Amino acid sequence: RKEVEQDPGPFNVPEGATVAFNCTYSNSASQSFFWYRQDCRKEPKLLMSVYSSGNEDGRFTAQLNRASQYISLLIRDSKLSDSATYLCVVLRSGGSQGNLIFGKGTKLSVKP
Amino acid sequence: GAGVSQSPRYKVAKRGQDVALRCDPISGHVSLFWYQQALGQGPEFLTYFQNEAQLDKSGLPSDRFFAERPEGSVSTLKIQRTQQEDSAVYLCASSLAYQPQHFGDGTRLSIL
Repeated sequence: RKEVEQDPGPFNVPEGATVAFNCTYSNSASQSFFWYRQDCRKEPKLLMSVYSSGNEDGRFTAQLNRASQYISLLIRDSKLSDSATYLCVVLRSGGSQGNLIFGKGTKLSVKP
Repeated sequence: GAGVSQSPRYKVAKRGQDVALRCDPISGHVSLFWYQQALGQGPEFLTYFQNEAQLDKSGLPSDRFFAERPEGSVSTLKIQRTQQEDSAVYLCASSLAYQPQHFGDGTRLSIL
């Protein structure tokens, strides 16, 4: 079983739709969680960190459920420019600060 | 802006050849990371430097892979006796200590 698992999609949604991505992680000692965005043939870019209390950044809301070892990302009022692959990322517990564990990514395609 | 710079952008090599990939981190970033991203997968951690010290090389897949950062700035990832399974995008990231990582565009390596 991979340490971080995501539904690979693709999710094909119309503009303006609300879409949710889910992610599970296997190491219960993990402390830090992130969502990254990766456009085709580009580098991953940090979208947002995920905090235990949940956090929001504009149209994006991230939630963490430690008991279920589950992370989610909600995108409201989706735009064409939201089309990308969304990577769920966990900082490996006990590893160096750089040892980020990435999921395979969930591909989102927003259509006009 | 002066982001993380990687070169070459593309590299094609024959099986058995040695290759060297370069990463120029953001100026002042003490932490530098290398990741390998196979097609359709998320990035996988290879190794981490803090200044010139290689603190974690747990992700290097074999002893054919070697990384260095002799003066604490530019880093080189070397792959000896390349094999077809080494074909991937190699991503470099840098950060200030315990801050989010900034990724370069990557080097696309193809082994024929």
